[in-house]
Amino acid sequence: EIVLTQSPGTLSLSPGESVTLSCKASQSVDTTYLAWYQQKRGQAPRLLIYGASSRATGIPDRFTGSGSGTDFTLTINRVEPEDFAVYYCQQYGSSPPWTFGQGTKVEIK
Amino acid sequence: QVQLKQWGAGLLKPSETLSLTCGIYGESFTGFFWGWVRQSPGKGLEWIGEVNHSGVTNYNPSLESRLTISGDISQNQFSLRLTSVTAADTATYYCVRGFGNSNPASNGDYWGQGTLVNVSP
Repeated sequence: EIVLTQSPGTLSLSPGESVTLSCKASQSVDTTYLAWYQQKRGQAPRLLIYGASSRATGIPDRFTGSGSGTDFTLTINRVEPEDFAVYYCQQYGSSPPWTFGQGTKVEIK
Repeated sequence: QVQLKQWGAGLLKPSETLSLTCGIYGESFTGFFWGWVRQSPGKGLEWIGEVNHSGVTNYNPSLESRLTISGDISQNQFSLRLTSVTAADTATYYCVRGFGNSNPASNGDYWGQGTLVNVSP
């Protein structure tokens, strides 16, 4: 089973700041099968990034995914008030189980 | 516009069977994997499993012995069945377009509204 470790656990920042979230895999992940999700309180997760760097439909370009192998990042440029949420990375390559990171909470400072 | 709408019992006793169904609207069941993800209260996301129109399934090994995911092409819906539930199965269960699809953009892009299932004596 591939374990995804996200850091930091919580980030506190002000609107307009930029932030980079980290996702490290216990073994190499094909970039095709690395995704990022945003989840707001009481809502289902929302797909942000697939294929490590491709934005899903309707996702603003302030969200950027990058990385390869075991190290992946999600950058949010100039955080907007609606971006405060929990972010999860996920892998679904190789063989099941598909796994999620434990999440990074982005909160208002 | 694609929507997933899910339904099923939200309160169970230990040893009972959890059953949820997810209806697909605006998209065909055929041609994709469809599955389930759960989230324990205050915790992260756990992938449960998925099924496609050919009956091919992928299951989380940690749940496989108690798990059945099946699809109904005629009703354009799919279902989750988890037997012998315990308090550890208390979670919000989400249906989702699955993760075994050949187009990465079609994996995890649609989610149901979630159903809180509480297992309590």
